[in-house]
Amino acid sequence: AQSVTQLGSHVSVSEGALVLLRCNYSSSVPPYLFWYVQYPNQGLQLLLKYTSAATLVKGINGFEAEFKKSETSFHLTKPSAHMSDAAEYFCAVTASGGYNKLIFGAGTRLAVHP
Amino acid sequence: ETGVTQTPRHLVMGMTNKKSLKCEQHLGHNAMYWYKQSAKKPLELMFVYNFKEQTENNSVPSRFSPECPNSSHLFLHLHTLQPEDSALYLCASSQDGGRRTGELFFGEGSRLTVL
Repeated sequence: AQSVTQLGSHVSVSEGALVLLRCNYSSSVPPYLFWYVQYPNQGLQLLLKYTSAATLVKGINGFEAEFKKSETSFHLTKPSAHMSDAAEYFCAVTASGGYNKLIFGAGTRLAVHP
Repeated sequence: ETGVTQTPRHLVMGMTNKKSLKCEQHLGHNAMYWYKQSAKKPLELMFVYNFKEQTENNSVPSRFSPECPNSSHLFLHLHTLQPEDSALYLCASSQDGGRRTGELFFGEGSRLTVL
């Protein structure tokens, strides 16, 4: 079975600082991994995805994530945080045999302070 | 029009009421989903429809009844709900689910409060 663990339900950074949101996964099949972002009072939006091509994946708004099979990790980073990055971030993995069925982590709320 | 539209955005209902949530997608997709988002819990997949046929029911209580009349519309009929059913219900769509793209397009959600 597939599962996702996001370490840290809340992360707070200063504007301009590095953003690092952690995600570890468990999968019985080669995983497809995703990061989604949810801004207040909105639905989820795809930030980036790993689908077995390049292990370093670049997404929107300057975010990127690196797939590390040996560590079963897919951490999300951004070199310099902006106030507009404040949101909730969800890591997800596709379920085995389940096409676009996504298994989500519990989410990490990112706060950015001046 | 936005890609995936959900109505109503907010709904308050008593435990004996019957109400429905509506989702409409304008993206030409053929798969639609209902997810439940509760505070401090991961998103829970409830139902999946591919080409109007239900392909997934994730052990959802029968007080939630989905309906998918066509590939563009998805409903969630609610009756005799419990207070613990209060949550944000998210609808999503994707272009055929025959490939694992994982790219779901979400609506803004319907915030349900059960009194």
